[in-house]
Order: sequence, then structure tokens, then C-alpha cells
Amino acid sequence: ETGVTQSPTHLIKTRGQQVTLRCSSQSGHNTVSWYQQALGQGPQFIFQYYREEENGRGNFPPRFSGLQFPNYSSELNVNALELDDSALYLCASSIQGARGYTFGSGTRLTVV
Amino acid sequence: ILNVEQSPQSLHVQEGDSTNFTCSFPSSNFYALHWYRWETAKSPEALFVMTLNGDEKKKGRISATLNTKEGYSYLYIKGSQPEDSATYLCASIGRNAGNMLTFGGGTRLMVKP
Repeated sequence: ETGVTQSPTHLIKTRGQQVTLRCSSQSGHNTVSWYQQALGQGPQFIFQYYREEENGRGNFPPRFSGLQFPNYSSELNVNALELDDSALYLCASSIQGARGYTFGSGTRLTVV
Repeated sequence: ILNVEQSPQSLHVQEGDSTNFTCSFPSSNFYALHWYRWETAKSPEALFVMTLNGDEKKKGRISATLNTKEGYSYLYIKGSQPEDSATYLCASIGRNAGNMLTFGGGTRLMVKP
């Protein structure tokens, strides 16, 4: 059984640009959650997708958006990048209603 | 307590020492508490999911306890080894929070040989 795969592992963007991060969920999992970990902090919940719809959102502005595809993989899109968006972005897959989560190793985004 | 808090932020111990750290979380509307072990450049690895007051779980030399009434959990490592060096994260889920994990800031453990 494969785990959660995130791509790319690292990227550098310029302020004002847009970025797309990708996540392939673990086999058999139907729910994907995204978290942002800024330096020195714990991960913060961005949003969750289930059945291709947003199923919960944290305190993040609308320029953070996402998609879930029929194969349960997901994308996180961030528009109009700001310097403070520099962080590690983690994806976690799960089965809706179950308590366990499987995390990917993250995408390190640097905004300059 | 409104947020999830972990202490200490970092800890240096010698190989063979036993250690423990604390996770404090909101006790009202509690649903579940997760512990993760996270090595640098790897994925957070699930250690425990705990739901019942008084619950104790064990995985090898690592164990955890849960007190949902007062809102805290302890993680214990017996006879620390250098390979235990990692950041240990706890995360709570509230009853009305869907599946949203609220994480603490983590405890970074470094075990010296």
C-alpha cells in the first residue's frame, strides 16, 4: 500500500505569483486535508476535501483554494503569494469518519 | 485552555534516560487526541490516537496517557535512544470540529549517544 505523496518537494516563487501543490492520497483513503506549518509553529489546518468538495476550512483567506479529483488526489492553490506564505505545506489523507491520518512529507514553499 | 500547547519546546537527554513531555488541550467538546513522531525531512508518523479518559497506550518504549477532564496527555519514552530524536507533535480534535486537527507546537527531542 502506497503512502501519501506530495509534489514538488521544494519550490521558490516570487511575491504576487500563483502556486499549485499536489497530493496523492493513500490507497483506500477518500479525504484529503491540507496544513501549513510556518517556522517554529505547529501545523495549521487550511481545509479538507471529501467527495470533491470543501468539507471544512481553517482561518485562511480565499486566495487559498483547493481541488479534489475523482481518484481522491488533491491540489492546493495559492494566489497572489505573500512573503508570509513561506512555509511547509503538509497533506494528510484519511477515510471519512475514521480517526487515523496519513501524512505526506510536505512541500517547502519559499516566497521571495 | 483554548489552544493546544506542548511543553517543553525542546529537550536534550542522554542515551538511556527516560523522558516525558506534556500536551494540554481544550477539555470541553473533546473528541480525540493524536500523537505523532516527526523526523526531519520525513512524514509525521502516527503514534497514538486516544479518545477515552484514563486511556493508556503503548508502542515499544513509548507510551501515552490521557486525561480528558483536565485536558492533558503525557508522552513517555523509556530508555531513550538516538533514533528517538525527532519532534513529537500532539493534535486534538473537538467534537464539533469535523476532522480538523489542532496541533501544538511540538516538543523537539534530541538524544545524545
